Amino acid sequence: DAKTTQPPSMDCAEGRAANLPCNHSTISGNEYVYWYRQIHSQGPQYIIHGLKNNETNEMASLIITEDRKSSTLILPHATLRDTAVYYCTPMKPNFGNEKLTFGTGTRLTIIP
Amino acid sequence: GAGVSQSPSNKVTEKGKDVELRCDPISGHTALYWYRQSLGQGLEFLIYFQGNSAPDKSGLPSDRFSAERTGGSVSTLTIQRTQQEDSAVYLCASSLNTDTQYFGPGTRLTVL
Repeated sequence: DAKTTQPPSMDCAEGRAANLPCNHSTISGNEYVYWYRQIHSQGPQYIIHGLKNNETNEMASLIITEDRKSSTLILPHATLRDTAVYYCTPMKPNFGNEKLTFGTGTRLTIIP
Repeated sequence: GAGVSQSPSNKVTEKGKDVELRCDPISGHTALYWYRQSLGQGLEFLIYFQGNSAPDKSGLPSDRFSAERTGGSVSTLTIQRTQQEDSAVYLCASSLNTDTQYFGPGTRLTVL
């Protein structure tokens, strides 16, 4: 059973905001939503995570719906270097003993 | 600060040979994970170390795979008698007893 559903691909114009959706309708109450990305031929890179409140850091913003069944990652001013595969994954904190799993993710292409 | 480093970045070996892959986690991170990622596939958990506790080896695919972590820092993943199906990118991640994992660049293993 898929834990998350993401569109397989998206394009965004350089300089625009990229909004990447994720459905996680089976998320449990104590699971956070984590976002990672993987640029071609590199290891996954942590972006942001949240439980139920919206979060913002230097990389992105995370909007989580009130029912927590979906979320949106926002890259406010996309650059060419943001071209990557983006993964969302629910994960329950377990003092570090959590094995990450990724679905198929969204391949985001930033168009010059 | 320095991130997670892995060596070698690329390794080509012949079927049946043994290989060793090295991971240097972020200094002070107590948790260390090994994953592998085959072409177009998601992450596959291999093994997890946390401090001085016994490692969680539940993801190792066969007894040809082993890993150790010396002094709670550097880790080595060893694959004996390599097979062609072992070809993949081997990723190491570390975390500071939280659930945010930081990945290295990976080692691309090719078994001929």
